[in-house]
Amino acid sequence: AQSVTQLDSHVSVSEGTPVLLRCNYSSSYSPSLFWYVQHPNKGLQLLLKYTSAATLVKGINGFEAEFKKSETSFHLTKPSAHMSDAAEYFCVRGDSSYKLIFGSGTRLLVRP
Amino acid sequence: DGGITQSPKYLFRKEGQNVTLSCEQNLNHDAMYWYRQDPGQGLRLIYYSQIVNDFQKGDIAEGYSVSREKKESFPLTVTSAQKNPTAFYLCASSTFTRTSGYLFEQFFGPGTRLTVL
Repeated sequence: AQSVTQLDSHVSVSEGTPVLLRCNYSSSYSPSLFWYVQHPNKGLQLLLKYTSAATLVKGINGFEAEFKKSETSFHLTKPSAHMSDAAEYFCVRGDSSYKLIFGSGTRLLVRP
Repeated sequence: DGGITQSPKYLFRKEGQNVTLSCEQNLNHDAMYWYRQDPGQGLRLIYYSQIVNDFQKGDIAEGYSVSREKKESFPLTVTSAQKNPTAFYLCASSTFTRTSGYLFEQFFGPGTRLTVL
């Protein structure tokens, strides 16, 4: 079965330091991959998506992710964390039909 | 303003009661989806609809029902058969078709928090 694994349930960083949220996907045909962010009691907002046009994908709010087929990874990064980045982040892939498969989420804490 | 609206934001249900959650979109999307989110977990698919008057069960459809009579509307009914309905419910929509093998992203509403009293 196709799956998505987010390697850390919680990540804590200091404001102004880099962010790395890790995601691995089960290997199959070239997947559709997304990162979404969810602030408390809110819906999900799309940060970025992988569409095969480029392996390094730039998203909103300074986030980017790199698709590495050899490692089946799609890690999310940001050079400098801001307090407003504190939220839950979901790595998501499309399956062979029209459904999305969600990772279990990584909660990002940003310390002042 | 294009987007997805869900109502109500908070909903309380008594034991044995059916309740209906509303989802409306004005993005002209063909496909709509309902998800359930429990604390510390990712989203699980309840039902989805790729076109008007058609819908399919997702991974956890038992105790739920839906209808898709209009393109812009996809209400979810939580029936008394759903034994543990307390959760955060999210509706989403997307363009139906793929392109070059890649799935279009889904756009999410703000959610409805359902609590059983």
